[in-house]
Amino acid sequence: QKEVEQNSGPLSVPEGAIASLNCTYSDRGSQSFFWYRQYSGKSPELIMFIYSNGDKEDGRFTAQLNKASQYVSLLIRDSQPSDSATYLCAVNDPHTGGFKTIFGAGTRLFVKA
Amino acid sequence: SAVISQKPSRDICQRGTSLTIQCQVDSQVTMMFWYRQQPGQSLTLIATANQGSEATYESGFVIDKFPISRPNLTFSTLTVSNMSPEDSSIYLCSVEGPGLRYGYTFGSGTRLTVV
Repeated sequence: QKEVEQNSGPLSVPEGAIASLNCTYSDRGSQSFFWYRQYSGKSPELIMFIYSNGDKEDGRFTAQLNKASQYVSLLIRDSQPSDSATYLCAVNDPHTGGFKTIFGAGTRLFVKA
Repeated sequence: SAVISQKPSRDICQRGTSLTIQCQVDSQVTMMFWYRQQPGQSLTLIATANQGSEATYESGFVIDKFPISRPNLTFSTLTVSNMSPEDSSIYLCSVEGPGLRYGYTFGSGTRLTVV
């Protein structure tokens, strides 16, 4: 059973703090990892993707990947109330040629003003 | 990334009826997918819409219940047939980014309520 696990939260952080969102995956063959943001009542929006071990930074977002430990995380620096959303971790399914994606259940983030 | 128009945005339907959801993309894409997202849940893949051939369904989803058409590389429809309240959900179409390694772009979703 291929799985992507996330803490459902809610994770509550004060404005300006660093929000840390974590995700583990079960299939060692996965090669592509994604973070989507989903505002309430809206569809998911891709915010980060990462393929290599280590960190990848994009503005206030940093994705971290550790394939040996099978976890991927998302750091949001200087969190803003507008970052309040559900964050979905997603991992490609290598047994489908990589074109299918498995989604975690998401972590709800609240940023308090 | 592609721009997707999904219709309708929401509908309330009677039990036993069918609803067809349309997904129009502003550029040709190879991969199109249909997802379901039940309240408070994550995304569940229903099927991959294949251009010019039958859709590929995931375990638990069958063509008679969720017929899919993909007449060309920019358009697909998903029909939810013989609906029951358990079909109440958000249905989303998605396409790959500029290459599969770049994740998906999602349509705005169809919020379906079956009464």
